[in-house]
Amino acid sequence: RKEVEQDPGPFNVPEGATVAFNCTYSNSASQSFFWYRQDCRKEPKLLMSVYSSGNEDGRFTAQLNRASQYISLLIRDSKLSDSATYLCVARRSQGNLIFGKGTKLSVKP
Amino acid sequence: DGGITQSPKYLFRKEGQNVTLSCEQNLNHDAMYWYRQDPGQGLRLIYYSQIVNDFQKGDIAEGYSVSREKKESFPLTVTSAQKNPTAFYLCASSIEASRGYTFGSGTRLTVV
Repeated sequence: RKEVEQDPGPFNVPEGATVAFNCTYSNSASQSFFWYRQDCRKEPKLLMSVYSSGNEDGRFTAQLNRASQYISLLIRDSKLSDSATYLCVARRSQGNLIFGKGTKLSVKP
Repeated sequence: DGGITQSPKYLFRKEGQNVTLSCEQNLNHDAMYWYRQDPGQGLRLIYYSQIVNDFQKGDIAEGYSVSREKKESFPLTVTSAQKNPTAFYLCASSIEASRGYTFGSGTRLTVV
């Protein structure tokens, strides 16, 4: 089983839609979790951290369920500029980060 | 402005040649990392360093070497022993991993 697994998509949604991405992780010792955004042929950029209590930043909400080892990202009122690949990330006990392969989102007019 | 600089942006090398990718940061971060990304593969960890003069192998270290003589610099050498070196190489740094990483803009290496 891969350490971090995501549905690769693509998710094709119209502008204004709400879209949810899910991710599972295999190492119950993982302590920190993140969502990164990566545009085509660019470096990943930190979108937000993920906490058990939930984390909201504008139209984006991230949630962690430790019991199920499951992480989610919800995007409300999708914009064309949200089109990108979203990477689910977990921190290993050694301190380095393990990245999922990413979920591609395409928002259409 | 603080950040991470990777150079060059594009690099072409002949098969069998060693090549060194540069990564410099002025963020005063202790930890630095090298990842490679292939299409559809996500990011895979090559090497990382949590402090000057110390580094550890990541998940795919074979065919690569690094050094960490200065806090600001973490160069990666792709040796001729790396069987499939063509990829997008990303360098990152962090003040601590629990806060996530900052990435450089990457180097696209093509071996012909």
